Amino acid sequence: SQTIHQWPATLVQPVGSPLSLECTVEGTSNPNLYWYRQAAGRGLQLLFYSVGIGQISSEVPQNLSASRPQDRQFILSSKKLLLSDSGFYLCAWNSAGGIQYFGAGTRLSVL
Amino acid sequence: RKEVEQDPGPFNVPEGATVAFNCTYSNSASQSFFWYRQDCRKEPKLLMSVYSSGNEDGRFTAQLNRASQYISLLIRDSKLSDSATYLCVVPNSGNTPLVFGKGTRLSVIA
Repeated sequence: SQTIHQWPATLVQPVGSPLSLECTVEGTSNPNLYWYRQAAGRGLQLLFYSVGIGQISSEVPQNLSASRPQDRQFILSSKKLLLSDSGFYLCAWNSAGGIQYFGAGTRLSVL
Repeated sequence: RKEVEQDPGPFNVPEGATVAFNCTYSNSASQSFFWYRQDCRKEPKLLMSVYSSGNEDGRFTAQLNRASQYISLLIRDSKLSDSATYLCVVPNSGNTPLVFGKGTRLSVIA
């Protein structure tokens, strides 16, 4: 069966520090992968999606970037975090039936 | 019309009550729809898929009205454990296939 892993679960970072969040999927090949952010009390905001290795589409301009170095690995990065980057970051993959499955998420607090 | 619109709530209902949420969507070409449940500080999880006029799973019933472009979720005999945010999800096009509503918050009270 397919599983999706995200780490770390929680992260507290100072403003201006770098960020690297990792997501891996097991049990499937060449999945479409997604990064979302959810601010406190708000809806899901799609940040990036990838349909294959090295292929990244950005949905919103910001100081975040994404990379897909391997088929089942998706990384979200920032060189310098802002206060507004705080939120709940979720990685997801798409099944053939169009259903999206989410990782457990990373709760980021930028102080 | 926004892509997906939901009443944010909160809906505060007593145990045993029946509660219904509506969701409207703008993409008339959408074929499949989903309801997700998100518990506080957790990831969204699939609750139900809706591919035709409706779907029923125990106490939960989802209905689709293509003419009016809305989807509903009915919860019968509400339990305390049903307290969560319910997200309406509609397909988009291309490789961003799903658009998530902002969610409707439900609190079931003893």
